[in-house]
Amino acid sequence: KAGVTQTPRYLIKTRGQQVTLSCSPISGHRSVSWYQQTPGQGLQFLFEYFSETQRNKGNFPGRFSGRQFSNSRSEMNVSTLELGDSALYLCASSLAGTRYGYTFGSGTRLTVV
Amino acid sequence: AQKITQTQPGMFVQEKEAVTLDCTYDTSDQSYGLFWYKQPSSGEMIFLIYQGSYDEQNATEGRYSLNFQKARKSANLVISASQLGDSAMYFCAMREGSGDKLIFGTGTRLQVFP
Repeated sequence: KAGVTQTPRYLIKTRGQQVTLSCSPISGHRSVSWYQQTPGQGLQFLFEYFSETQRNKGNFPGRFSGRQFSNSRSEMNVSTLELGDSALYLCASSLAGTRYGYTFGSGTRLTVV
Repeated sequence: AQKITQTQPGMFVQEKEAVTLDCTYDTSDQSYGLFWYKQPSSGEMIFLIYQGSYDEQNATEGRYSLNFQKARKSANLVISASQLGDSAMYFCAMREGSGDKLIFGTGTRLQVFP
């Protein structure tokens, strides 16, 4: 079966712009979570959605937002980009509460210049 | 606060040898789950193994086993018979209670040499 699909794979944006990243979960998975990975801060939780509702949110400024659609696809948006937003953004999907782990996508590598 | 600690920034192991990657955790919850992920240079996080806090036996998945010591709050990953393809970053992670939020450690870079 198809895995978690993240688009685009690479993105270059200018400071001040906004960006939208997309994540299509594995069919049947209703939980989608997002993580930011940087060399300095490591892997940090952004937010988690289940059945179109945000269940958890990490400690990120309001410039970071997300949503989930009825087909479980999710998008995250970052407005007014800063250089420090350059990172690998990873999306993971799961059957909620599973013990079998979360399936991650290949990530979107965002570079802000 | 929940925390995962991986104290080994890097590890070297010879092909076909076993290696242990350390992970300690801190939580006040009774119900939690512990995960190990592998991240090759391509960036994708690959699920390796899971241990639930109430599981009485250590988890095993092929060449991967988890040495779970609940009283010490440690969940070390053991890779047996290392292969060159095992060279990657390895992350220990924890999920607390309900919800699907994972807290990750800082990772260990494993390098397997011939």
